Amino acid sequence: DAGVIQSPRHEVTEMGQEVTLRCKPISGHDYLFWYRQTMMRGLELLIYFNNNVPIDDSGMPEDRFSAKMPNASFSTLKIQPSEPRDSAVYFCASTRDGNTQYFGPGTRLTVL
Amino acid sequence: GESVGLHLPTLSVQEGDNSIINCAYSNSASDYFIWYKQESGKGPQFIIDIRSNMDKRQGQRVTVLLNKTVKHLSLQIAATQPGDSAVYFCAENIWTGFQKLVFGTGTRLLVSP
Repeated sequence: DAGVIQSPRHEVTEMGQEVTLRCKPISGHDYLFWYRQTMMRGLELLIYFNNNVPIDDSGMPEDRFSAKMPNASFSTLKIQPSEPRDSAVYFCASTRDGNTQYFGPGTRLTVL
Repeated sequence: GESVGLHLPTLSVQEGDNSIINCAYSNSASDYFIWYKQESGKGPQFIIDIRSNMDKRQGQRVTVLLNKTVKHLSLQIAATQPGDSAVYFCAENIWTGFQKLVFGTGTRLLVSP
């Protein structure tokens, strides 16, 4: 199995631009999670899906952030418009049983 | 100037020593715990888990101990190797109407040859 796949691995953009991060979970996993990791706040859960349906989005910082899961093998996290304080590493994780989560390699986002 | 961030506790050991990394969790109702290892530039990697009906679980070179009385979790790594150098996170599974993993701030393990 290829594991959780994320793209791009690195993204540098200017303030105000739209950013889209992509994730392909492990095949057969029906839970998908988006996390953000920063030095200031550590690893924070943003949102998670079960069977493609958003279950808990209480961690999404504000309306500039949105996430979708159009099918079982693909999810996006979008930031529009992006701000320098959004700079972080964004991780996607998936699980079959709702407990042990397997993480992707992350996308390092830098907003100038 | 340099931004203030989380101060990660650091454990420095010599190769071959045994390492013990500690974690205090917050919710007495948490029923499942996981240890993750994160190497520089990579995502967290699952190491070992334990359910609340157990107090010890062993894996390959790793042992997790759970003390529910004081809400404490520890990860023991036997014969620590330079490749074990990483940040280690404990996570607890909390039910808030939904199941949710809450991660600790992490401990940096430095292994010198």
